Parts: sequence; structure tokens; C-alpha cells
Amino acid sequence: GENVEQHPSTLSVQEGDSAVIKCTYSDSASNYFPWYKQELGKRPQLIIDIRSNVGEKKDQRIAVTLNKTAKHFSLHITETQPEDSAVYFCAASISTGGGNKLTFGTGTQLKVEL
Amino acid sequence: ETGVTQSPTHLIKTRGQQVTLRCSSQSGHNTVSWYQQALGQGPQFIFQYYREEENGRGNFPPRFSGLQFPNYSSELNVNALELDDSALYLCAHGSGRKNEQFFGPGTRLTVL
Repeated sequence: GENVEQHPSTLSVQEGDSAVIKCTYSDSASNYFPWYKQELGKRPQLIIDIRSNVGEKKDQRIAVTLNKTAKHFSLHITETQPEDSAVYFCAASISTGGGNKLTFGTGTQLKVEL
Repeated sequence: ETGVTQSPTHLIKTRGQQVTLRCSSQSGHNTVSWYQQALGQGPQFIFQYYREEENGRGNFPPRFSGLQFPNYSSELNVNALELDDSALYLCAHGSGRKNEQFFGPGTRLTVL
């Protein structure tokens, strides 16, 4: 089955700096890659996603890149703010007409320091 | 918020007991997935329902079972509870055609 590895497990940056979180996946058939943000005690919140027919996607300060050949995808957060502090999870799935099973990475604890 | 709700918020059970967790969505998405999230880990896929039929299952034993109802609400049932079942249980609603899954707030289950 699919296996997703995520690095780093913790990341500390100064406010205003950029943060990069990297994931690799094992199943070349995976075609959908979402990123979730989870604040302490709250639900995972979908912040951005990318499909395998796209190499990059951007939404304001957040961008995701995908390298299908290397089976890598990354989350980039620019101009970090204290409210970006949370645990971030990457996931991979094979989407079908009837839905998809998400396989998650182990999470990255991002801390944005003032 | 996602419009996905779960009940109860918290639950305490003892080993060997059975539990039923519930999930509903205002949006009428026709797929629902259940995930188990242990402390400090990413969510682990339990199973998914699409149009009231199980549509994929993760590496969980048969004592984890589920139902999806015509109004797209769903239940997760766990029999013969074990200490390791203590976790946050999340449901996620999505569309069969679209990939996005939107999570509910979760049920925190503690097994003593």
C-alpha cells in the first residue's frame, strides 16, 4: 500500500521567514495530494491540494509543488505569521469515481516565533 | 467550518465495551471516511462508505464496522474495545467525483 514520509517533524522559523515541508510517497498511481493544518484540539483543515496533472499551485502565501518523477511534493509558506503555528500533514491518495483513501504523513509541528 | 459534525465530543469506555460514534454533514456529500488519529500521529484510514456501501478499508480488524444512511450520516461501531483504541476518531465527508475531504471535529475516545 501507499506510504508517505514527511520531513521535518518539527520546524521553527522567525516571523516573516519562509517554511518548507517535504513529503515523499511510494505509490506511483497516487494522483491527489492534499495538505492539512491541524491546530491543537481542532479538526484537520484542508489548506491546499494538488493533482498529478499539475506541477505547482499557489494560494496567497501558500504554495505546493509536485515532482511526479521523484514522487516528492512540498508545502511552501511565505511571510510566516504566528497564526501559521500548527501541525501540518501531507497526504496522498488514488482518487476514483467513488472516492479516495487518504494516506497521511506523520506531521510537521511548525512554530513561528516573534 | 466544514458543516461536518460528530457526536459525542468525548467518550470514556472500559475494555471490552462497545461504542458507536456518529457523523453527519449539512452538505450532502455522498462519501464518508473514518480515520483514527492517535496522539502525535497522522490520521489512519479505517474505511470509507460511498452510497451506503463500504468502499475501501484500511488495516483495521472486523470489530471496527460502519454504516452510512440515505441522508449521508454515518456511524462507526467498535466492539470489544482495547486500550489501544484510545484516540481521536475523525470522519470526513467528500464527493464521489471530487477529491477533497472535509473533516469533522472528532470524537475523543478514552478506553480505560
